Amino acid sequence: DTGVSQDPRHKITKRGQNVTFRCDPISEHNRLYWYRQTLGQGPEFLTYFQNEAQLEKSRLLSDRFSAERPKGSFSTLEIQRTEQGDSAMYLCASSLEGSGTEAFFGQGTRLTVV
Amino acid sequence: QQQVKQSPQSLIVQKGGISIINCAYENTAFDYFPWYQQFPGKGPALLIAIRPDVSEKKEGRFTISFNKSAKQFSLHIMDSQPGDSATYFCAAGGTSYDKVIFGPGTSLSVIP
Repeated sequence: DTGVSQDPRHKITKRGQNVTFRCDPISEHNRLYWYRQTLGQGPEFLTYFQNEAQLEKSRLLSDRFSAERPKGSFSTLEIQRTEQGDSAMYLCASSLEGSGTEAFFGQGTRLTVV
Repeated sequence: QQQVKQSPQSLIVQKGGISIINCAYENTAFDYFPWYQQFPGKGPALLIAIRPDVSEKKEGRFTISFNKSAKQFSLHIMDSQPGDSATYFCAAGGTSYDKVIFGPGTSLSVIP
């Protein structure tokens, strides 16, 4: 396991469709984070899990967004009824609890809604 | 509310020069301050980080200076190289703050 893995790397979808992204964290990391990054901006926090529990959700995460981390391993982020404003890079990161949030990021999934 | 401020927005430095990026934070609960480097189309990569019990940390050509009373920290890149051209993000987090909050980023271009 060499790092955080995200799939797919790129996704183009039509407005109104649902999309799902997957993140596989570093195997020993019990914390998993989702961030969103738009062009020219820093990553914005969306939500995070400790093991399988979703402990915090940003108000950026509208009702159309849902994230899961069954069994505390990989995580999925689903966006329902996509809108053009959802176009962004979706980044996943993982860390060890107690590490002071030393988070390691994946390569991201670039979503384009047309 | 922007919890982590960063300047400048962009920076052009000649090869061999020193690149300096400054950040300021507001929340005194932060006790972990990483810097991330991001190349186009890639995720942010952890570069170097500091905790407030030290005022400076150096790793190779990269140095973080930290001023706890002013709630400011900065990244110095010595002997800047064209390969350092990237976007740099300062961030803040910590043991009592369960996530990392990013600054808006600095686009660094190192010209030959």
